[in-house]
Order: sequence, then C-alpha cells, then structure tokens
Amino acid sequence: EDQVTQSPEALRLQEGESSSLNCSYTVSGLRGLFWYRQDPGKGPEFLFTLYSAGEEKEKERLKATLTKKESFLHITAPKPEDSATYLCAVQFRGNQFYFGTGTSLTVIP
Amino acid sequence: KAGVTQTPRYLIKTRGQQVTLSCSPISGHRSVSWYQQTPGQGLQFLFEYFSETQRNKGNFPGRFSGRQFSNSRSEMNVSTLELGDSALYLCASSSAGGFTDTQYFGPGTRLTVL
Repeated sequence: EDQVTQSPEALRLQEGESSSLNCSYTVSGLRGLFWYRQDPGKGPEFLFTLYSAGEEKEKERLKATLTKKESFLHITAPKPEDSATYLCAVQFRGNQFYFGTGTSLTVIP
Repeated sequence: KAGVTQTPRYLIKTRGQQVTLSCSPISGHRSVSWYQQTPGQGLQFLFEYFSETQRNKGNFPGRFSGRQFSNSRSEMNVSTLELGDSALYLCASSSAGGFTDTQYFGPGTRLTVL
C-alpha cells in the first residue's frame, strides 16, 4: 500500500542548531513531492515542490532535497519563528495528494 | 491575489445535525480539494472537484458530500453528524488541477460536534 512517513514526529532544537526532517514514501509513479508548514489553528502554507530525484529547492533557512524514495527538509540555524509542524505530501496517479502526519518542530531560544 | 477563503471559521453542532462548509478558491483556480485534519489521523483526503465534477474521492462515508459551482466555489456537506466528525476541515485550490499542480490551502473551518 502506498504510504508517506515522516520522521521524527517531534523535534526540539536550540536556536542555531541545524537539523533535518525526513519524508519517505512508498508510491509508484510519483509526480511531485510537496512540503508545507502549518502553524497551530491555521491551514498549511506551501513551501516547496520537488519533481525528480536530485532536485533541491531553498528558501531562507530551509532546503528541500529529493531522492528516489525520500525527501529531506534541512533547517540551517533555525530561529524560534521556525517552530511549526512541517508536512510532506506526495502526488501520484492523478491529482490526489497523500500527506504524512508531520513533524512538530520546536526551536528554543 | 486573495488567498483561499473558508466560511465559517468555527462551528459548533450537535450529533445528528447536518452542516455545510464553504470554500472560495484563489481567483482563476478551477480545482478544489477538501481534507479532514484530526490530531490522530493527520490530513485525510475527502474529495476533489474540477469544473463542477467530482474527480477524486477519498475513503469517507456517504454522509460526506460536496459540490462545486460554475464560479469554482465549493461547498462540503456532512449529514447526521457524529462526535468523530469534530475536526479542522481544510479546503485547497490549484490552478488547473493537472499534473503536479501545487495546492494552496485556506485557513480551515473548525467543526466541533457535541
């Protein structure tokens, strides 16, 4: 069965302590992998789209990479305002998106 | 460009009632998808509408239904509410609903069933 798994479920970092979030998927015919950020009580905010293995995208302190079976969201020197839940979604076989359960990131000042 | 809007933002209903939620997509977007988000299950796909036609459907009971109007606005209806329907309902729109099309989310409607 196709599946999207995110790890870790929760991550606590000191301000400035870089780390990576993982999104692994077991789908065939991947058409796109998407990263979103979600703040409590709000809708997910789009961050990146990756289409093929080897692709990388960057935005401020965030960098997303994609391999054939997983994606990483690297956070460099995070700040408290980076605290949020980060969601990964994959699209395949049409327009349906499948989401992981997210990684809750807390950055401590 | 205005983002995706959802109304109402908060709703409290009792078991057995029905509810209708509304979503207005980004101008020019023709695809609207609905999701249910709960702490235990994460985002679960409900259905997707494109040009007034339901194109994809998730694994939810028939109590959950939707429709899309000619201006791409969409409504979602839940009949005979159950306690387990309490969740954040999110709507997302994309431009053409085609190949690898990014979805943009609204703020959600928080539904509480008592």
